[in-house]
Amino acid sequence: QSALTQPASVSGSPGQSITISCSGTSSDVGGDNYISWYQQHPGKAPKLMIYDVSNRPSGVSNRFSGSKSGNTASLTISGLQAEDEADYYCSSHTSSSTRGVFGGGTKLTVL
Amino acid sequence: EVQLVESGGGLVQPGGSLRLSCAASGFTFSNYNMNWVRQAPGKGLEWVSYISSSSSTIYYADSVKGRFTISRDNAENSLYLQMNSLRAEDTAVYYCARGLVKYNSGWYFDYWGQGTLVTVSS
Repeated sequence: QSALTQPASVSGSPGQSITISCSGTSSDVGGDNYISWYQQHPGKAPKLMIYDVSNRPSGVSNRFSGSKSGNTASLTISGLQAEDEADYYCSSHTSSSTRGVFGGGTKLTVL
Repeated sequence: EVQLVESGGGLVQPGGSLRLSCAASGFTFSNYNMNWVRQAPGKGLEWVSYISSSSSTIYYADSVKGRFTISRDNAENSLYLQMNSLRAEDTAVYYCARGLVKYNSGWYFDYWGQGTLVTVSS
């Protein structure tokens, strides 16, 4: 199962908004609404930021939002803050026998 | 407080075996599906395996199918990953990650352990 496609890096200035894309196929991203996003700071475990395309777990800032169109999901971070600098990964359920896949990850730099 | 604590990592030679454990606390372990996710040094996340709350449904990534076995002991609140025929490319930090509560549909991992490092090298 190939990884979902994410840009290797994105950057933005404090206060700006950025969007990270996650492209797949009709067998994964486009197949259902089981898309999730994770934030990972260096040396730390990943943290769930968005689930089921656009839902935020309790405690996650409303500056984080998710959406999906066809075979591409997106994570938008508004009002960028220094602490948002991290790696971000999308994940999707798949209809293949393996059932799960991650994107390759995107490094967010806050300028 | 939900806690997942992995153990069992270490250095192993190619072709060798290792058994990882994940001790869960702070929630009703038997009600939740569980997963293993790994991350090679400097690389991205890779989902490895899934086991349902009752162990009735199990999935593996193609990269580990036939070599790794996931299991759980609900009485001991523990998740396991038996890894055989290890290869250099299995070198990674292995995370235990909680999935959804049983009977719910979806695919995400809401709590993660801190990981245990597995190094496959001669």
